[in-house]
Amino acid sequence: NAGVMQNPRHLVRRRGQEARLRCSPMKGHSHVYWYRQLPEEGLKFMVYLQKENIIDESGMPKERFSAEFPKEGPSILRIQQVVRGDSAAYFCASSPDGPTGELFFGEGSRLTVL
Amino acid sequence: KNEVEQSPQNLTAQEGEFITINCSYSVGISALHWLQQHPGGGIVSLFMLSSGKKKHGRLIATINIQEKHSSLHITASHPRDSAVYICAVSNNDMRFGAGTRLTVKP
Repeated sequence: NAGVMQNPRHLVRRRGQEARLRCSPMKGHSHVYWYRQLPEEGLKFMVYLQKENIIDESGMPKERFSAEFPKEGPSILRIQQVVRGDSAAYFCASSPDGPTGELFFGEGSRLTVL
Repeated sequence: KNEVEQSPQNLTAQEGEFITINCSYSVGISALHWLQQHPGGGIVSLFMLSSGKKKHGRLIATINIQEKHSSLHITASHPRDSAVYICAVSNNDMRFGAGTRLTVKP
């Protein structure tokens, strides 16, 4: 049973480009979470999705950021028109049981905006 | 005031020492998580607690729901335990503590 898979592990984008980060949860997990860790800062919650539904997006910036978890395929975190302040590590975690379930983390995707 | 407070921020110990990291929170929760982040950046979930006490090897985690407080203990600490330990509380969202940077010296 493979763990949570995130790709790409490293992504470099120029200002104004789009970044797409992918997260494949563990088999059988229908709950996916995205978190962001800015350089030298702590983790911050972004969004919680459960197959095809956004359950809580209270941590998502209001503009340029979107997330989806389609019926088939990985969850996608999309950042449009990236700016330097978007440079961060983006972590995905999956859970079999939602808020009361154990979390399993991916290795993270490190976005650098030039 | 942060909703999740951890102490201490930094902790240096000698190999073999007993270590305690504390976490207090001020919101209602579905569960509390203890996470470990290694220097390379990867994150591992150590414990998920909603009540009582759990033990994995040399690690013990406790939670007191009435007092909104949790502790992570490491017995017989080892240099490989050096990492950042993060307390987090979950509902649909998740609130994180700032982390405790632990260094265990041989």
